[in-house]
Amino acid sequence: DAKTTQPNSMESNEEEPVHLPCNHSTISGTDYIHWYRQLPSQGPEYVIHGLTSNVNNRMASLAIAEDRKSSTLILHRATLRDAAVYYCILQNSGGSNYKLTFGKGTLLTVNP
Amino acid sequence: DTAVSQTPKYLVTQMGNDKSIKCEQNLGHDTMYWYKQDSKKFLKIMFSYNNKELIINETVPNRFSPKSPDKAHLNLHINSLELGDSAVYFCASSSRGRGTYEQYFGPGTRLTVT
Repeated sequence: DAKTTQPNSMESNEEEPVHLPCNHSTISGTDYIHWYRQLPSQGPEYVIHGLTSNVNNRMASLAIAEDRKSSTLILHRATLRDAAVYYCILQNSGGSNYKLTFGKGTLLTVNP
Repeated sequence: DTAVSQTPKYLVTQMGNDKSIKCEQNLGHDTMYWYKQDSKKFLKIMFSYNNKELIINETVPNRFSPKSPDKAHLNLHINSLELGDSAVYFCASSSRGRGTYEQYFGPGTRLTVT
C-alpha cells in the first residue's frame, strides 16, 4: 500500500482556517486521496476524497498538488468540534477491495 | 437513524471466554468491514465481506471468525479471548463498484479482557 506522511500534531485557533498537509510521493495513478477524521471516542468519519482536481464539500476542501505527490486538507473556519485526528489515506481504485490503511494521522487541537 | 450500529458498546470479559460483536448497517451497502484499534490508537483492517463473501482476510488469529448472515449484517466472533485482544473494534460499510467509495464507521465496541 502506498504510504502517506503527516505531521504528528497541529494547533489552530477557533474560526481560523486550518491547512493539514499530507505527503504521498509514491502515489500511483489509480490511487484516490481520502481524508478521514476521528473525534475522541468515536469511529472514523469520512471527510473528503479526490483524484486529481481540487474538491470542495460542506466539511472541507482538498487541494491536490499538480504532481499528486502531496495534498492539503483545508478547514475554512475551525471550530472546537473539529478537534480530532485527521488521516490522509491512499485507496487504490484498481484493486478488488477497498480497504483503508490508516497511518498515525495528525492530531488537530483547536484553541477557543 | 443510525447508519452503522454495533452491539454491545462495551464488553468486559475474562480470558478464555468466547464473545461476539454484532454490526448492522441500514445504508444499503454491499460491503462491510471490521477494523481493530489498539491501545496505541492504530487502526487496522481485519476482515471485509462483499455480498456475504469474504474478500479481505488480513493476518488475524483464527480465533477471530467473521460471519455475514446477509448484506446488512457482519458479526465478529472471538474464541478463547486473550489479554491482547483488548481493543476497540469498529465495523464499517461501503458500496463496492468502479472507482472509490467512502466508508461509514460504527461507534465502536470497546472490548476489555481481564
